[in-house]
Amino acid sequence: EIVLTQSPATLSLSPGERATLSCRASQSVSNFLAWYQQKPGQPPRLLIYDASNRPTGTPARFSGSGSGTDFTLTISSLEPEDFAVYYCQQRYNWPRTFGQGTKLESK
Amino acid sequence: QVQLVQSGAEVKKPGASVKVSCKAAGYTFISYGISWVRQAPGQGLEWMGWISAYNGNTNYAQKFQGRVTMTADTSTTTAYMEVRSLRSDDTAVYYCARDLRMAAGGDWFDPWGQGTLVIVAS
Repeated sequence: EIVLTQSPATLSLSPGERATLSCRASQSVSNFLAWYQQKPGQPPRLLIYDASNRPTGTPARFSGSGSGTDFTLTISSLEPEDFAVYYCQQRYNWPRTFGQGTKLESK
Repeated sequence: QVQLVQSGAEVKKPGASVKVSCKAAGYTFISYGISWVRQAPGQGLEWMGWISAYNGNTNYAQKFQGRVTMTADTSTTTAYMEVRSLRSDDTAVYYCARDLRMAAGGDWFDPWGQGTLVIVAS
């Protein structure tokens, strides 16, 4: 099973600042990595897939990068609605696995 | 629009079973697989398994093998997930989520159902 480790566990920033979230895989997942955003009381929402692709509806301030074992989600300038929990997930092989999440909180 | 609507909250006793439904609308049901993901209170996301709505093929997380059954009813465009021998640590919100792309054999999860809270308590 591929283990995904996210860092930091919590990130405290202010609106307008740049956020950088990390996800490291225990073995290479090529580019088979996605990022999800989850707000309280809501299901997760797909933000980035195939490491760097944005589905329709994901704002351009969200970008993903990386391949192999190291991945980054960057939010270029935080909006108030971006404060949430972010999860990475791999589909390189079965079972699908998630990281433990990074909570992005408002400073 | 594409929509997954799940059944309502359940309260079960330890040892019982629960069957959660996920009604799909707005797309060709058999063209996409569906995964089930659960989230215990205050915890992260845990993938449970995937089913092809086309042929019923499944892939379960080893942790749930033998205790979870996923099915898909093409006549009603509804996916089901049954968990047997419930324990208190099965208390969680259970989500269904469709594959992002058709015929992808276990793709990214998009969209998601609204979630079904299952509480296991004596």
